[in-house]
This record gives sequence, C-alpha cells and structure tokens, in this order.
Amino acid sequence: LAKTTQPISMDSYEGQEVNITCSHNNIATNDYITWYQQFPSQGPRFIIQGYKTKVTNEVASLFIPADRKSSTLSLPRVSLSDTAVYYCLVGEGSGNTGKLIFGQGTTLQVKP
Amino acid sequence: GAVVSQHPSRVICKSGTSVKIECRSLDFQATTMFWYRQFPKQSLMLMATSNEGSKATYEQGVEKDKFLINHASLTLSTLTVTSAHPEDSSFYICSATFSGGAAFTYEQYFGPGTRLTVT
Repeated sequence: LAKTTQPISMDSYEGQEVNITCSHNNIATNDYITWYQQFPSQGPRFIIQGYKTKVTNEVASLFIPADRKSSTLSLPRVSLSDTAVYYCLVGEGSGNTGKLIFGQGTTLQVKP
Repeated sequence: GAVVSQHPSRVICKSGTSVKIECRSLDFQATTMFWYRQFPKQSLMLMATSNEGSKATYEQGVEKDKFLINHASLTLSTLTVTSAHPEDSSFYICSATFSGGAAFTYEQYFGPGTRLTVT
C-alpha cells in the first residue's frame, strides 16, 4: 500500500483558506486519494475523494497533479469547528481489499 | 445515507472478562468491514478486514485469538475482545464499504467508535 506523508500540524485563523499537502510517491494505478476528518473521540468522517485533476464538493477541493504523487486538500474559509485531524489516504480500488492504512495525519488548529 | 453505528459507545470491564462490540451498516449492505484501534493522540491502526461469511484477515501483530471478529451478515460485524487486559483499553472504530459505481472508486464509512476501558 502506498505510504503517505503530510505535515504533522498546521495553524490557521478563522476565515482563511487552508491547504494541506500530502505526498504519496508510490501511488498505484488503482489507488484513489481520499481525505478524512476526525474530531476527538469520534470516527473519521469522509471529506473528499479523487483520482486525478481537481475535485470539488460543498466542503473542500482536492487538487491532484498529473503524476498523482501528491495531492492538496483545500478548505475554504475555515472556522473554529474545522479544528481536527485530517488524514490523507490512498487505497486500493474495487476488486481489491479496499484496505486503508492511516498515517499520522495533520492536526489543524484554527484560531479566532 | 451510508450510516454506520457501533454499540456500545462506551464500555468498562474487569480484567479477564470478554467484551463484544457491534458494528452495523444501517442503510446499505457492507461487502467489507474493517476494525481499527486508536490510542490517545495516535492515528488509527487497522486490526483486521472482514468479508461477510468469510474469516477475517488480521494485520500483522494482531492476535486473532484475542480479537475475534464475526461478520455474519452484510449489515453486522462484531469484535470480541477476549480476556481483556488494561493494555487493551483503547478506542475501537469500525468502518464499512461497498463497491461504488465506477471501476475503482469506493469509500469507507466509519462508525462513531467504542471506548473500551479495562480495569
């Protein structure tokens, strides 16, 4: 499974855009890139998933360059409630196990 | 949609006893369920993968005789911690997945977690 590397922590202020970059140099052809958010004592919550180029939903955007060796999660105008741990994962697609291996994640602290 | 529940949310047990944790997919059929363990300030650690009607596949270092996993139906998987000890105290999280419409897309839906404390 491809290993991911992301910053351990980031600080931001309310209203700012936050970009968290993840490296996954050994990503396989079948792998999708998925980001999850986790609050303390809760299960992770799906944020966004992509395979290539750009994906946008109501909460975030995901930018994936052509070589797919990295990806950037963009959170527009963060608020205090976005303080959480963000995990970048690459996982096997359907037809395989769908197994995900969590890295250390990025702890985002949003300040007022 | 795609809601996963866990029961109980918290459990305290005495050392040496067994504890069962249930994971249910409420509005979809889960082809695969996963069990994770998370210690304070640490990331999630995958313990095992289970498919309905099959034996679970355990990750390296996870004792299959201690952490019994049963996936009897497409909506229910159980994790039993046998002969629990204080070092088994942790946050246990399950997730469920099913194949999406496209060839390689899938998503794991996580339960809210179960806090196990062994005294």
